[in-house]
Amino acid sequence: KAGVTQTPRYLIKTRGQQVTLSCSPISGHRSVSWYQQTPGQGLQFLFEYFSETQRNKGNFPGRFSGRQFSNSRSEMNVSTLELGDSALYLCASSYPTGGNEQFFGPGTRLTVL
Amino acid sequence: KNQVEQSPQSLIILEGKNCTLQCNYTVSPFSNLRWYKQDTGRGPVSLTIMTFSENTKSNGRYTATLDADTKQSSLHITASQLSDSASYICVAQSGGSYIPTFGRGTSLIVHP
Repeated sequence: KAGVTQTPRYLIKTRGQQVTLSCSPISGHRSVSWYQQTPGQGLQFLFEYFSETQRNKGNFPGRFSGRQFSNSRSEMNVSTLELGDSALYLCASSYPTGGNEQFFGPGTRLTVL
Repeated sequence: KNQVEQSPQSLIILEGKNCTLQCNYTVSPFSNLRWYKQDTGRGPVSLTIMTFSENTKSNGRYTATLDADTKQSSLHITASQLSDSASYICVAQSGGSYIPTFGRGTSLIVHP
């Protein structure tokens, strides 16, 4: 099976812009979770989607949003980018829920200038 | 507040040696504890998953232990290899909620 794929792998944006990141889970996986990883805070949970519904949400501002499509692919959007949003954004998929083993993608490295 | 503390923050060992990484957690109610290995520039890879009823779990040269009473876990690496150089992250998950709590990780460097 192909692993979790994320696009793009690298992204450079300026403050105030918005960005959309994409995640394709492993075939058959219905749960997709998003994480932010920074040197200062480590890994932090953003949100989890299952069957197109957000099941859980971490402690991030409303500028961070996501959605999941009927084919389980997921997108994450960050609006009004701030310098502090520079991070590695990881998505992980699992079957059938997030409580099972998660498989991470390679991440999208976002740099905000 | 749920927390996961890992020690040491970094560790340097010689190839072939054993090492043990520590993880203390305060997550309630506790559901499971996971250890991940993350190579530089890559996403984390699951090593072990343990529920409260499991004391030990192995994955090749990696052995994780869990003491649910003291809320401590350890990851033991046997006969280290250069490819073990990575960050090792401990994650505790609470029951009833999916939201995981991550440790800051232990950076392991294995020298030849």
